[in-house]
Amino acid sequence: DAGVTQSPTHLIKTRGQQVTLRCSPKSGHDTVSWYQQALGQGPQFIFQYYEEEERQRGNFPDRFSGHQFPNYSSELNVNALLLGDSALYLCASSLLISYNEQFFGPGTRLTVL
Amino acid sequence: AQSVTQPDIHITVSEGASLELRCNYSYGATPYLFWYVQSPGQGLQLLLKYFSGDTLVQGIKGFEAEFKRSQSSFNLRKPSVHWSDAAEYFCAVGSPTDSWGKLQFGAGTQVVVTP
Repeated sequence: DAGVTQSPTHLIKTRGQQVTLRCSPKSGHDTVSWYQQALGQGPQFIFQYYEEEERQRGNFPDRFSGHQFPNYSSELNVNALLLGDSALYLCASSLLISYNEQFFGPGTRLTVL
Repeated sequence: AQSVTQPDIHITVSEGASLELRCNYSYGATPYLFWYVQSPGQGLQLLLKYFSGDTLVQGIKGFEAEFKRSQSSFNLRKPSVHWSDAAEYFCAVGSPTDSWGKLQFGAGTQVVVTP
């Protein structure tokens, strides 16, 4: 049973560009959350998707947007990249009814030059 | 404001020695409490969680944590560390009234294990 998978593993972009990160949840999971982990910090909640809708959002600007597909996979889009967007982006999946069991993927390392 | 504090940024421990990682929280009510571990190149792995009940919680890999309401703490312990325990450890909290399960993480504690 595959766990949470994310692609790509690493990504290098320049300021002003746009990026799309992808996440496939653990089999059977219906909820996907995205977190940003800057170097030396803990993960910060970006947003969460359930039934293809954004259900909850952290303190991130509108440049950060997402999508969830009918198969529960998800994308994170970041527009107008800033140097400060350089971070590890983590995807976590869970069952809505199971608050506590969030399974994290290995992350996508985004570097903005 | 709600917060999670891990006072120790970095801890060095000898293999076979005991380990204790501190976590303090500031929250309106008793939150749900979690400990995660992150090894290089890996995602976060859940070690244990506390929702209610027995304040001493057992987790995977020989870890345990104790919830102390009076101290707003949820410290993680292991009696005897192994070299494979070298990693970064994160304490996280969630709100019992938040059905969507958003987690708020501390800044982490880096654990180095020496021979």
